[in-house]
Amino acid sequence: QQQVKQSPQSLIVQKGGISIINCAYENTAFDYFPWYQQFPGKGPALLIAIRPDVSEKKEGRFTISFNKSAKQFSLHIMDSQPGDSATYFCAASLLGATNKLIFGTGTLLAVQP
Amino acid sequence: GAGVSQSPSNKVTEKGKDVELRCDPISGHTALYWYRQSLGQGLEFLIYFQGNSAPDKSGLPSDRFSAERTGGSVSTLTIQRTQQEDSAVYLCASSIRGLAKNIQYFGAGTRLSVL
Repeated sequence: QQQVKQSPQSLIVQKGGISIINCAYENTAFDYFPWYQQFPGKGPALLIAIRPDVSEKKEGRFTISFNKSAKQFSLHIMDSQPGDSATYFCAASLLGATNKLIFGTGTLLAVQP
Repeated sequence: GAGVSQSPSNKVTEKGKDVELRCDPISGHTALYWYRQSLGQGLEFLIYFQGNSAPDKSGLPSDRFSAERTGGSVSTLTIQRTQQEDSAVYLCASSIRGLAKNIQYFGAGTRLSVL
């Protein structure tokens, strides 16, 4: 019930291409879905987040697509750049007393120049 | 001001020893979280502090793990009688409670190696 499944484990994309990372969840009580970006030796940093009352959110080259009925959400990185090479984590939480994040296992993205 | 600060950045210890990991949250943030990141795994929630409320300890993997937060600011995660499976990166995050966005700001972590 608490698990968030993320795929693929790793991804190689050419510069200028589209990177797509997918996540699925089971607990329908989740109501906040952030994506975090982590560079080597650094802590994760919030990239973009979505609430389940919208199906898509776009910030610059980054877009979250959310399918509530399928309990799936995905991150799309348009015009991928070598500087986007990092590990990406999806997460989910219950906006309540704890707000703890349940993370996916991460996707290592490499954008080749 | 400064972000979340964690120390030490690296810690090597022998099996059976106790270790203490420190976290300085962003000033003014009332919520503080500890997560564990094992090799090839996602982040695993350990414990959560919010102001003077009782902490949420539901993620602590065993009674060898404990944490405290003094004065509503600095937090220390203690692992007693360390085991090799405790080797991981321990991440601390803080956030301002009450915001719907629930942005958690992470420190760079402490890499713990148990030999």
